[in-house]
Amino acid sequence: QQQVKQSPQSLIVQKGGISIINCAYENTAFDYFPWYQQFPGKGPALLIAIRPDVSEKKEGRFTISFNKSAKQFSLHIMDSQPGDSATYFCAASMLGTGNQFYFGTGTSLTVIP
Amino acid sequence: DSGVTQTPKHLITATGQRVTLRCSPRSGDLSVYWYQQSLDQGLQFLIQYYNGEERAKGNILERFSAQQFPDLHSELNLSSLELGDSALYFCASSVVSVGEQFFGPGTRLTVL
Repeated sequence: QQQVKQSPQSLIVQKGGISIINCAYENTAFDYFPWYQQFPGKGPALLIAIRPDVSEKKEGRFTISFNKSAKQFSLHIMDSQPGDSATYFCAASMLGTGNQFYFGTGTSLTVIP
Repeated sequence: DSGVTQTPKHLITATGQRVTLRCSPRSGDLSVYWYQQSLDQGLQFLIQYYNGEERAKGNILERFSAQQFPDLHSELNLSSLELGDSALYFCASSVVSVGEQFFGPGTRLTVL
């Protein structure tokens, strides 16, 4: 059973546009929600993360929006650039019980120049 | 570069064989995690070690085992390999047993 559901599977955005990737979870015990970026042939790298006590976190062009009541969180990439073309994974974990990450299935983002 | 190293980068072997994947965590990180990434299953957590002790177990097959040594490097042993074990295997590390995990470049295992 997929603990974290991610959509869309793939996304094509024009340069300068906004990329939006959504994730949903069921387990209300999750209390840490990171987003990872993965380029072909590389390991995932942490992009940004949020705890459920805040509704939004922004780092540069990347913003996480978190809706605790809906059990959903999303990644917004503003002013998308061709260099952002990668696979993005959301994840969730329970910090108090071993930090096992449950990953979404990934979104392949292509930013067209 | 995350600071996590994994060897080998690529591994090609035959069904029924046994292989060992190695991971060196970032300097100072006590916790090591192993993940399997396949096209149909995505990134799946296998097992976590913290300062030499097993901390959490995920979808790890009985044919797979891991350990973390006193110098904190970790090895993932895969035995009686099947075609379906072909995947990317990632190691990640973190300072303690919670929070941000730093991923290595992965080992691509191909079972023929």
